[in-house]
Amino acid sequence: QSVLTQPPSASGTPGQRVTISCSGSNSNIRSNTVNWYQQVPGTAPKLLIYSDNRRPSGVPDRFSGSKSGTSTSLAISGLQSEDEADYYCAVWDDSLNGVLFGGGTKLTVL
Amino acid sequence: EVQVWQFGGGLVQPGGSLRLSCTASGFTFSNCAMSWVRQAPGKGLEWVTGISSSGGATYYADSVKGRFTISRDNSKNTLYLQMNSLSAEDTAIYYCAKAYSGTLYRFDNWGQGTLVTVSS
Repeated sequence: QSVLTQPPSASGTPGQRVTISCSGSNSNIRSNTVNWYQQVPGTAPKLLIYSDNRRPSGVPDRFSGSKSGTSTSLAISGLQSEDEADYYCAVWDDSLNGVLFGGGTKLTVL
Repeated sequence: EVQVWQFGGGLVQPGGSLRLSCTASGFTFSNCAMSWVRQAPGKGLEWVTGISSSGGATYYADSVKGRFTISRDNSKNTLYLQMNSLSAEDTAIYYCAKAYSGTLYRFDNWGQGTLVTVSS
C-alpha cells in the first residue's frame, strides 16, 4: 500500500477540467518536489509534470501541477479522449531514502 | 535521440536469480542517475532501486533490499539489475528509467520494459 494516496479513478467529458489529487506527508511532498507521469496501458510511463508545476517540452499547457503542504494536484483542462490513461505522482521520501509512487489514478474520458 | 533499451527478463523459478541490462544512447550516460521501476500485472508503478551518475551511491526499496543489486558500467553506457532470491511477488514488468541530468528521480526517458515471471 502506497504512502502517497491518489483516488483510484477519475472521469470527465471532453472539454471538461479534471483534477487528480495526491496526498503525502512531511517526509515526502512537503520536503521534495513532485513529478507526475502519464501511462497509457501497455506502454512505458511518460513524464508529464516535474518540479511540482513544470512541463517538459512537448506537453500541452492543458496539463498543470500544483502543491500545497503535504498535498499535490494534477489538473487537466480541455479534456480530450487521448488523455485517457493512468496518472501517477512520484516524490522522494527522506525517511525511506527512496522514491515513492502514488497508487495511480485511472482517468476515463466519457 | 535518447534511447534506453532493455535486455534480459523471462521465466525464473522461485528462489532463482536473473540479471537485467539496460543500454543507453543519445545522451551522456555518465551524467545521469538511473533507476529501475517495476509494475506487477494490473498494478501500479513501484520504484525498485536507483543509482547515482557515478555509481557511488545506490538506493533500494525495502521490498528488495538485500536481494537486488543495481550497478552500472559508464564505459559501456549500461545499467544492470541483479535479482536474487526471487519470489512470485517479484513478477512484474521492469522498466529502466533515466533521470534528467542533475536529478535523482525526474525520469524523463524510459526503456520499453521487460517482463520477469517468477513461477515454478
